[in-house]
Parts: sequence; structure tokens; C-alpha cells
Amino acid sequence: AQSVTQLDSHVSVSEGTPVLLRCNYSSSYSPSLFWYVQHPNKGLQLLLKYTSAATLVKGINGFEAEFKKSETSFHLTKPSAHMSDAAEYFCVVTSAWSLYQLIWGAGTKLIIKP
Amino acid sequence: NAGVTQTPKFRILKIGQSMTLQCAQDMNHNYMYWYRQDPGMGLKLIYYSVGAGITDKGEVPNGYNVSRSTTEDFPLRLELAAPSQTSVYFCASSPGDWHTDTQYFGPGTRLTVL
Repeated sequence: AQSVTQLDSHVSVSEGTPVLLRCNYSSSYSPSLFWYVQHPNKGLQLLLKYTSAATLVKGINGFEAEFKKSETSFHLTKPSAHMSDAAEYFCVVTSAWSLYQLIWGAGTKLIIKP
Repeated sequence: NAGVTQTPKFRILKIGQSMTLQCAQDMNHNYMYWYRQDPGMGLKLIYYSVGAGITDKGEVPNGYNVSRSTTEDFPLRLELAAPSQTSVYFCASSPGDWHTDTQYFGPGTRLTVL
């Protein structure tokens, strides 16, 4: 069965330090992968997506993610955290059995310390 | 463009009551979706629609109904509300299917069933 595992429920970093949010997936085919961000009391917004082109994907607000097939990982990184990055981040993978189904991770809450 | 709008923002229902969650988009998107987000969990797809007059069940459709009479509107109906339906509900739309296209989310409706 397909699944998405976000390895940390909470990540806390100081402002100006690097961010790493980890995501592993299991899939029987080569999926598309996404990272979405949800700011407090707001809807979700797409950060970036991988659709079998370049394995290093650049997104909005300085975020990027690298697709590593051998490790079945799609970790999200940012070189320098900003206070406005405090939010919940979701790793998402397309389903093998339905064109209309996405498999969502449980989310990682990113906390930025001043 | 207002994007995807949802009403109401908050609602408290008693067990057995019914209600309709409204969703509208002004981007002329063919695809629309309803998700629920339970605490500490990723999103689960309730229903989706690939165009006016066409709807289908997602992962967790029980207790819900939808209709899509226009491209713009995709209401979600809860019949006989139960405490298990306490959740945050998100509506989303996309121009094409999500293997290629970004989904745009509304701000959500927080529903409590007591």
C-alpha cells in the first residue's frame, strides 16, 4: 500500500538557521510529489512539486526539495529560516490507483525561535 | 479573483442535524474536491468532481453527499451529523488533474458536532 511518512511531527529551529523537514514515501510506481504549507488559520498553499523532471525542485519563499528514488525520500530544505516560515508543512504523493487521489502525510509543524 | 471561498468559517451542530458547506471558485476550474482534516492527520478526500454534473466518491464518503450543478459551486451536504464528523473541511479546485496541476484551497470550515 502507498504511504507517506513525515518523520518529525515538530521541528524547531532558530531564525537564520537551516530548515530540514523529512519525508519518506512508499509507492509501487514513480509518483508525483508535493509539499504544501498551511499557515495558522489559513488554507493550504503549494510550495513545490516534483513531476519526474529535475530531481532538485525549487519552490516559493526559498524552499527546495530533492527527490531521491533510491532512498524514497523527498526532504524539504531552506538555507535560512525566517519567522514567517512558522507553519505546518505537508508532504503529498499521487496515488497509484486513482488519478484523483492524493496521499497526505500527517504534517510537520515548523517552529521558528527568535 | 477571490479564488476558492468557503462558508461558513465555523459551525457547531447537534447530533442528528444536517447542514450544507458551501464552496465556490471563480477560476473556471473543472476539478473540485472536498477534504477533511482531523487533528494530527493529513487530509482525506471525501468527494471530488471533474466537471459540472460529474461527481465521485473519495476515500471517506460515508455520511456526506455532494452535487455539482455549475462549474463554480460544489456544496457538501452532511446528513444526520455525528461526532465523528467533527473536523476541518477544505474545498479545493484545480484546472486539471493533480498529476499535472496545482490544487487551490479555500480557507476551511471548522465543524464541531456535539
